[in-house]
Amino acid sequence: GAVVSQHPSRVICKSGTSVKIECRSLDFQATTMFWYRQFPKQSLMLMATSNEGSKATYEQGVEKDKFLINHASLTLSTLTVTSAHPEDSSFYICSATDRANEQYFGPGTRLTVT
Amino acid sequence: QKEVEQNSGPLSVPEGAIASLNCTYSDRVSQSFFWYRQYSGKSPELIMSIYSNGDKEDGRFTAQLNKASQYVSLLIRDSQPSDSATYLCSTGTASKLTFGTGTRLQVTL
Repeated sequence: GAVVSQHPSRVICKSGTSVKIECRSLDFQATTMFWYRQFPKQSLMLMATSNEGSKATYEQGVEKDKFLINHASLTLSTLTVTSAHPEDSSFYICSATDRANEQYFGPGTRLTVT
Repeated sequence: QKEVEQNSGPLSVPEGAIASLNCTYSDRVSQSFFWYRQYSGKSPELIMSIYSNGDKEDGRFTAQLNKASQYVSLLIRDSQPSDSATYLCSTGTASKLTFGTGTRLQVTL
């Protein structure tokens, strides 16, 4: 299957700071990438859909000014959590679709805001 | 009504037995169905995809789809302790997937 990487895998930051998470498709070009958030013992919740070269589409209830998404190339999308607060602490996972339109997930980034 | 429903479990099966995981969905226009395995603290891993009615087999895994009943299942034969994980059912299109809350499977020795 296709390989998706994320960096960093784990980050701890202070309240009020911003954190950038990178998502890369390593062996394929991904026109569309997705960003999910998962709280403990809950399912994946789609935050936004990121298309290369265009603005991201955010799900209802997700603040686009707080979660900045940039999809600058066919292999890279970034999520920036701005002015992070403790309630933003979560497991952030990106995914990308390959030519078969199957979604492959990155390893995830565990964000802890203190 | 949730769009994708799964029993949260835990589903406990002895090693070597067949584990049967079930999922129902509400959107009749769904065309693509996926099963993901998620180990604790890790991201989901795609294990099966199925697009048409019937069975699809891949190794020890068999996915079954019944669009009339809006039902999709995953059978794991010869269950191993390493199969212990949460299994997520999802449906949708290339532009959006909806996930169930997952069924936790425990394979006991």
